[in-house]
Amino acid sequence: KAGVTQTPRYLIKTRGQQVTLSCSPISGHRSVSWYQQTPGQGLQFLFEYFSETQRNKGNFPGRFSGRQFSNSRSEMNVSTLELGDSALYLCASSKNGQGGLNEQFFGPGTRLTVL
Amino acid sequence: AQSVTQLGSHVSVSEGALVLLRCNYSSSVPPYLFWYVQYPNQGLQLLLKYTSAATLVKGINGFEAEFKKSETSFHLTKPSAHMSDAAEYFCAVSETGNQFYFGTGTSLTVIP
Repeated sequence: KAGVTQTPRYLIKTRGQQVTLSCSPISGHRSVSWYQQTPGQGLQFLFEYFSETQRNKGNFPGRFSGRQFSNSRSEMNVSTLELGDSALYLCASSKNGQGGLNEQFFGPGTRLTVL
Repeated sequence: AQSVTQLGSHVSVSEGALVLLRCNYSSSVPPYLFWYVQYPNQGLQLLLKYTSAATLVKGINGFEAEFKKSETSFHLTKPSAHMSDAAEYFCAVSETGNQFYFGTGTSLTVIP
């Protein structure tokens, strides 16, 4: 069974640009969560999608948005990039996201560098 | 509100020594608790999880953690460190199971 895949693995952008990251969950998984990982901050929850609907949202500005398609693949978009957006963006999928018994499986992440 | 505190952002142990990584949580309801490991340039891998079945949880690679409600702790231990244990470790809490809160991580160095 293929794991969670994220594309691209590395991105370099400049301030003010926008970026779209993609996540393909494990087959059969309907929940996709996004996290921002930075040194010293750990993982911070961005949002979670389930069946094409945003079910939970973290405390990030509106520049961060996402969506989920009918095949459960998800994208996240960051507009008007800032230097502080440089981070590793991790995607995690789980079967249905109901209850803590559903383990989250993480992708390798997309490393975004904003210059 | 849910939160996790990991004491010690960097921990060094000698090969063969006890590994102890600390995690304290806050939660208004009985939580689900998790430990993840992250190797360089990789995503997170689940080590173990607490789902109220047993307070002592055994995970992969010889790791285990004990849930102590009175201390709101979920410390990770391994009796004997191996070089391959060098990695970043994250503790996480979830009340609902679909929104997870992670600690800031502990980087484990194993000294030969």
